Amino acid sequence: QKEVEQNSGPLSVPEGAIASLNCTYSDRVSQSFFWYRQYSGKSPELIMSIYSNGDKEDGRFTAQLNKASQYVSLLIRDSQPSDSATYLCAVNKDFGNEKLTFGTGTRLTIIP
Amino acid sequence: GAVVSQHPSRVICKSGTSVKIECRSLDFQATTMFWYRQFPKQSLMLMATSNEGSKATYEQGVEKDKFLINHASLTLSTLTVTSAHPEDSSFYICSAARQGRGTEAFFGQGTRLTVV
Repeated sequence: QKEVEQNSGPLSVPEGAIASLNCTYSDRVSQSFFWYRQYSGKSPELIMSIYSNGDKEDGRFTAQLNKASQYVSLLIRDSQPSDSATYLCAVNKDFGNEKLTFGTGTRLTIIP
Repeated sequence: GAVVSQHPSRVICKSGTSVKIECRSLDFQATTMFWYRQFPKQSLMLMATSNEGSKATYEQGVEKDKFLINHASLTLSTLTVTSAHPEDSSFYICSAARQGRGTEAFFGQGTRLTVV
């Protein structure tokens, strides 16, 4: 089992709809969770971080964390063509260890 | 977000030569930086963890004598690809960890290395 798993996609969503990206992780001691966006040929960009169970909203983005189910998701409301990218889920096991474990990413395409 | 600057963004070199890539955290101090490699349409592969003032920690299968890492200060880490070969051609990306509520990692712009 991979440490961090994501559906590779591609995931196609109509413009204006909600895009839902999912991620599961295997290590129960994981403490911090991050979503990165990576455009083709560019480096990843941090868009959301979440540390506690529940929802965290930032603009059109909402991250959801359920530690009991070892599940973290990212919702993108009012999807725009500029949201088309690969979204990487990353997990940090504990505060003393700064190393992140990345999923393989989900490729999202917003259809105009 | 925090700013991490990586230089150069693109480099072409001849086989057998060495290439140095710099990674700087511009607005925060980073005791830990990370170096990744990414091949087309693949995910990030962590190569090594760079620690300020101590030796880097390399991931399994990464040759430490080929990929030299120096973390000279709290804002600068360098990766030197020695005796480069065409198979070393890849996208190299650094990230710097900023301590806070958790530890957020911010990425540099990446360096596209082509060895001819």
